[in-house]
Amino acid sequence: DVQMTQSPSNLAASPGESVSINCKASKSISKYLAWYQQKPGKANKLLIYSGSTLQSGTPSRFSGSGSGTDFTLTIRNLEPEDFGLYYCQQHNEYPITFGSGTKLEIK
Amino acid sequence: EVQLQQSGAELVRPGTSVKLSCKVSGDTIIAYYMHFVKQRPGQGLEWIGRIDPEDDSTKYAKKFKNKATLTADTSSNTAYLKLSSLTSEDTATYFCTTVVPGINWFAYWGQGTLVTVSS
Repeated sequence: DVQMTQSPSNLAASPGESVSINCKASKSISKYLAWYQQKPGKANKLLIYSGSTLQSGTPSRFSGSGSGTDFTLTIRNLEPEDFGLYYCQQHNEYPITFGSGTKLEIK
Repeated sequence: EVQLQQSGAELVRPGTSVKLSCKVSGDTIIAYYMHFVKQRPGQGLEWIGRIDPEDDSTKYAKKFKNKATLTADTSSNTAYLKLSSLTSEDTATYFCTTVVPGINWFAYWGQGTLVTVSS
């Protein structure tokens, strides 16, 4: 199985700042990585797939980069609604596996 | 747009089974693969498996092979997750998601069903 190591576990930032979340795969997954946002009481939200393709409706301040084993989600100019939990997920092969999550909090 | 409506919260006894449902609206279920994902309280997301409602073929994560059973009813546009021999380790929120065959990123999610295993 592909192990996904996500870092950091916790992140604190202020509105207007930029942050990056990293995800490392235990073996190459080509470009096949997705990012999700999770917030209480809301359906999980797909932000990015195939490493860097923004899902329809994802604001352009979100961007994804990387290939092979190392990937990054960058959020520029943080908005108050961006705070929450973020997960990466490899969609290259079965079984599908997720990172352990990053909690993005308001500083 | 596809919407997924999951069944309500369950409080179940250890050693028993529970069957959760996920109803698809806005399209026919046979156009999609149905996946289920587990999230224990305060923990991350774990993929359980997926079913192709068109032919009932399934794939499971190894650790769920003897725990979870996925089925689908095309007449009601609903997928089901049955969990057996429940223990406290099965206390979690279970999400269903749906994708078109050939892709494995999840654009549509249900709201989740909380299963609490307690005597």
